[in-house]
Amino acid sequence: AQSVTQPDIHITVSEGASLELRCNYSYGATPYLFWYVQSPGQGLQLLLKYFSGDTLVQGIKGFEAEFKRSQSSFNLRKPSVHWSDAAEYFCAVGAGFTGGGNKLTFGTGTQLKVEL
Amino acid sequence: DGGITQSPKYLFRKEGQNVTLSCEQNLNHDAMYWYRQDPGQGLRLIYYSQIVNDFQKGDIAEGYSVSREKKESFPLTVTSAQKNPTAFYLCASSSPGDQPQHFGDGTRLSIL
Repeated sequence: AQSVTQPDIHITVSEGASLELRCNYSYGATPYLFWYVQSPGQGLQLLLKYFSGDTLVQGIKGFEAEFKRSQSSFNLRKPSVHWSDAAEYFCAVGAGFTGGGNKLTFGTGTQLKVEL
Repeated sequence: DGGITQSPKYLFRKEGQNVTLSCEQNLNHDAMYWYRQDPGQGLRLIYYSQIVNDFQKGDIAEGYSVSREKKESFPLTVTSAQKNPTAFYLCASSSPGDQPQHFGDGTRLSIL
């Protein structure tokens, strides 16, 4: 069965500092990997995704993530954090269903606080 | 603009009552999903539907029911058998060739 671990429940960074959110996954085949962001009381917005190919993927809002198969990791990074980045971040691994759609397994999330 | 609409945003349930959460999408997606979100537990899959008139149980389907009579709509009923229904419920959709799921803004269900 697939699973996702986000070891950091809360992270606090200063505005302008760099950010790295950790994600480790367990999946038998080549995974589909995703990072989503959620603002309070809102749905989830896709930041970026990895299906295959280049292991460094670029997303929206200046985020990037690197897939490392040897470490089963898909860490999210941003060079310079803005106060508006404060939110909860979820890593997810996906497996396709036969016939379409996909089953996502989510991590428990990392709450990011940005200090001004 | 295309998207997913969930209603209501807030919902209250009395003991022994069934309540229905609405989810409508105009993205022309075949697949739709319902997730439950509890603090510190991430999202857990309740039900999913890959095509009209077909749906399957997810990881935590007990106490819930769904229908998929139209491509655009995937309502979720929280029955009285669900003993701990207080949570944030999220609906999502995706197309067969598009892995990422697109989410609605959620419904928060509380017990009176």
